[in-house]
Amino acid sequence: DARVTQTPRHKVTEMGQEVTMRCQPILGHNTVFWYRQTMMQGLELLAYFRNRAPLDDSGMPKDRFSAEMPDATLATLKIQPSEPRDSAVYFCASDRDAEAFFGQGTRLTVV
Amino acid sequence: RKEVEQDPGPFNVPEGATVAFNCTYSNSASQSFFWYRQDCRKEPKLLMSVYSSGNEDGRFTAQLNRASQYISLLIRDSKLSDSATYLCVVNGAGGQNFVFGPGTRLSVLP
Repeated sequence: DARVTQTPRHKVTEMGQEVTMRCQPILGHNTVFWYRQTMMQGLELLAYFRNRAPLDDSGMPKDRFSAEMPDATLATLKIQPSEPRDSAVYFCASDRDAEAFFGQGTRLTVV
Repeated sequence: RKEVEQDPGPFNVPEGATVAFNCTYSNSASQSFFWYRQDCRKEPKLLMSVYSSGNEDGRFTAQLNRASQYISLLIRDSKLSDSATYLCVVNGAGGQNFVFGPGTRLSVLP
């Protein structure tokens, strides 16, 4: 049963530390999305890639966030330096035929 | 104005009730429409796609009105297991991304 895999599932870190979240999309899916979910803002699109090329990262704070897709099996989202307001659940999703499949998310807490 | 808006909820209904969720979107160039379901502390999952002609899947009926830029989801004979947050999703202009509404939480009560 193919699924999107995200690691780590949970991360607690101190303010100022670097955080890297990883995502393995479903094999054959050519579009990968990063979302952030908080109670206040709901699901926000941060960035997405098609065929590994970044298409839109306008939803992402550029000064501290970066998203990359070094190969077809790995997408990364990095925050440096992290801040308490970055605490949220970060979801990766991959797309086939206009249906987005989500990973289980990384629950990030920055203290 | 947010690109996708939904009823604020929460909706608390008894088992067996019929409940309807509404959603509006602002981008008239949007091409595809969906309802996703998200259980507490879980990831969103596709419930159903929404087609112009309307579509039904068991107790669930989705409708789209492009002229009014409005999408609806009707759940008949609601079950306890229907309790979740329902997310309206619009595939953006160019069909390249998925924009999620804020979601409407449903609690079905025994």
